[in-house]
Amino acid sequence: GENVEQHPSTLSVQEGDSAVIKCTYSDSASNYFPWYKQELGKGPQLIIDIRSNVGEKKDQRIAVTLNKTAKHFSLHITETQPEDSAVYFCAASMWSNYQLIWGAGTKLIIKP
Amino acid sequence: DGGITQSPKYLFRKEGQNVTLSCEQNLNHDAMYWYRQDPGQGLRLIYYSQIVNDFQKGDIAEGYSVSREKKESFPLTVTSAQKNPTAFYLCASTATDTQYFGPGTRLTVL
Repeated sequence: GENVEQHPSTLSVQEGDSAVIKCTYSDSASNYFPWYKQELGKGPQLIIDIRSNVGEKKDQRIAVTLNKTAKHFSLHITETQPEDSAVYFCAASMWSNYQLIWGAGTKLIIKP
Repeated sequence: DGGITQSPKYLFRKEGQNVTLSCEQNLNHDAMYWYRQDPGQGLRLIYYSQIVNDFQKGDIAEGYSVSREKKESFPLTVTSAQKNPTAFYLCASTATDTQYFGPGTRLTVL
């Protein structure tokens, strides 16, 4: 079955710098890759997603890139701000499958 | 407002008791999910339902039960057979592949 690995488990960056979180997946049939942000004590919120027919997607300071050949995708956050501090999860699924396979999460710490 | 609601926000259970966590959605989504999250950990799938009156076990279904009598509702019962139920429980729903989450219920066993 599908497996998703996420790195690093903790990432500390200076405010204003960029942060990059990487995920790799095992099943080449996976075609949907969302990223979620979870603040302490709350449910995860979708922040951006990408499908396999697209290589990159941007939304203001957030971008996701997908390399289907290498089977990895990455979340890029530019000009980080204190409110970006949270746990970020990646996931993968196949179009016909309603299930998401989750990464283990990355705790992002923004240092003032 | 459209969304997913979970209640209660906090729940305390004595050992040996069954408790039921509520999950309601008004998004008209067919599929609903229950996840368990332990401190500092990721999400583990307990049960999911793709249609009314049908549901499947996830990776950690032992000690849990669900029902799906209405499209809007997917309650989770944590039974006394679940030996370590203290965790954060998340409900989600989807119409396609994007899952939307509720605010969660924190269950503590006393």
